[in-house]
Amino acid sequence: SAVISQKPSRDICQRGTSLTIQCQVDSQVTMMFWYRQQPGQSLTLIATANQGSEATYESGFVIDKFPISRPNLTFSTLTVSNMSPEDSSIYLCSGLGGDGGYTFGSGTRLTVV
Amino acid sequence: QKEVEQNSGPLSVPEGAIASLNCTYSDRGSQSFFWYRQYSGKSPELIMFIYSNGDKEDGRFTAQLNKASQYVSLLIRDSQPSDSATYLCAVNSGYSTLTFGKGTMLLVSP
Repeated sequence: SAVISQKPSRDICQRGTSLTIQCQVDSQVTMMFWYRQQPGQSLTLIATANQGSEATYESGFVIDKFPISRPNLTFSTLTVSNMSPEDSSIYLCSGLGGDGGYTFGSGTRLTVV
Repeated sequence: QKEVEQNSGPLSVPEGAIASLNCTYSDRGSQSFFWYRQYSGKSPELIMFIYSNGDKEDGRFTAQLNKASQYVSLLIRDSQPSDSATYLCAVNSGYSTLTFGKGTMLLVSP
């Protein structure tokens, strides 16, 4: 399975600012995804990161708030824009490998104050 | 709306016992099924996935799939205290995106 490096691992940010999270995969994955996990909750899909084109967002998530880039098969970024305390969460990237398994990065714990 | 249901637990088993974790899903067109283990404060770790009806074994873990009943389970044999974690069931309904259940907390007591 692919190994995904995600950074930063955690950050504390002021409201109104933006944070960009990066994910680097050690091998090619066919698809990459971004999730959010609220404390004690399960994973909610934010969007599918498409190589070289606009991401596909799930209901309730918009590009202006969560712009995503995927310039190549092994790298993607998620930006959380104009943050508010409600954006405090764990953000996870995931990749679908050639073996059919989905693996996750180590996560970014974001606190907005 | 696609739904994946899991008992939140906690499921408590003694060390050495078999832990049985269950999951049901609403979309009859679902194609592949995944089990993840998540320790507190960590990201989900893929245990195994299954596509076909029946059993799939990997070490101490066995996934069981029954598409007619829309039911998938995970058996953990010889449970260890280190298996104490939240187990997430996830379902792929054919668009390459996963829908996750809320997870079952497993506690294995020494």
